[in-house]
Amino acid sequence: AQKVTQAQTEISVVEKEDVTLDCVYETRDTTYYLFWYKQPPSGELVFLIRRNSFDEQNEISGRYSWNFQKSTSSFNFTITASQVVDSAVYFCALSEYRGGSGSRLTFGEGTQLTVNP
Amino acid sequence: DGGITQSPKYLFRKEGQNVTLSCEQNLNHDAMYWYRQDPGQGLRLIYYSQIVNDFQKGDIAEGYSVSREKKESFPLTVTSAQKNPTAFYLCASSIKGQGSGNTIYFGEGSWLTVV
Repeated sequence: AQKVTQAQTEISVVEKEDVTLDCVYETRDTTYYLFWYKQPPSGELVFLIRRNSFDEQNEISGRYSWNFQKSTSSFNFTITASQVVDSAVYFCALSEYRGGSGSRLTFGEGTQLTVNP
Repeated sequence: DGGITQSPKYLFRKEGQNVTLSCEQNLNHDAMYWYRQDPGQGLRLIYYSQIVNDFQKGDIAEGYSVSREKKESFPLTVTSAQKNPTAFYLCASSIKGQGSGNTIYFGEGSWLTVV
C-alpha cells in the first residue's frame, strides 16, 4: 500500500528565513505522481505542484522550490525568504497510476507552517 | 468564475438526522471526489465518481451516500449511520480519474458539526 509521511507536524520560523518541508513516500509502482497542496486558514486546498515519477528535475517557482529524489523516496518543498502569507498547512500527496480507475490520492498528515513577523 | 462551489460552509446536525452537502463544479471535469479531514490529520477519501451515474467507495464510505446525476454535481449525504460525522468535508474534481495522475482541484470545504 502507498503511504506518505510528513514527519514535521509543526514548524515555526521568522519572516525571511528559508524553510524546508519534508515528504517521504512509499509505493510499489514505478509510475506515480507526487503533489503539494497548501491549505490556508480559509480551508481550501490550493494546488502547488505535480511531479511524475520519471521527472527528477528539481523545480523552482518564485520563492518555492521542490527537490525530488527517487533514491530516497523524498519530495521536499523549500520556501525561500518566507513571508507571513506563507503560514498554512502544507500537504504532500501521492497518486499511483492505474490507467484511469481504482487508484487513490494518498495524503500525508500535513505540516503546519507558521511564519512570524 | 470557474471553480468548485460547496455549500453550506457551516452546518449543524442533530444526532439521528441525515444532512446533504452540496458540491457543484463548472470546470467541465469528469471526475469528482469527496474527502474528509479531521483535525491534525490528512485527507481521507469517502467516495469518488469518474463519470455520470457511476461512483465508487473510497476508504471511509460507511455512513455516507452520494449520487452523480449530472456532470456538474456530486452531493454527499451524511447519514445517521455515520458514528462520528463532525469534520471538515472537501469536494474536489479533476479532468479524469485519479489513475491518470491528473491534478485534483478542491472546493472551499464545509464544516459539519453534530450537536
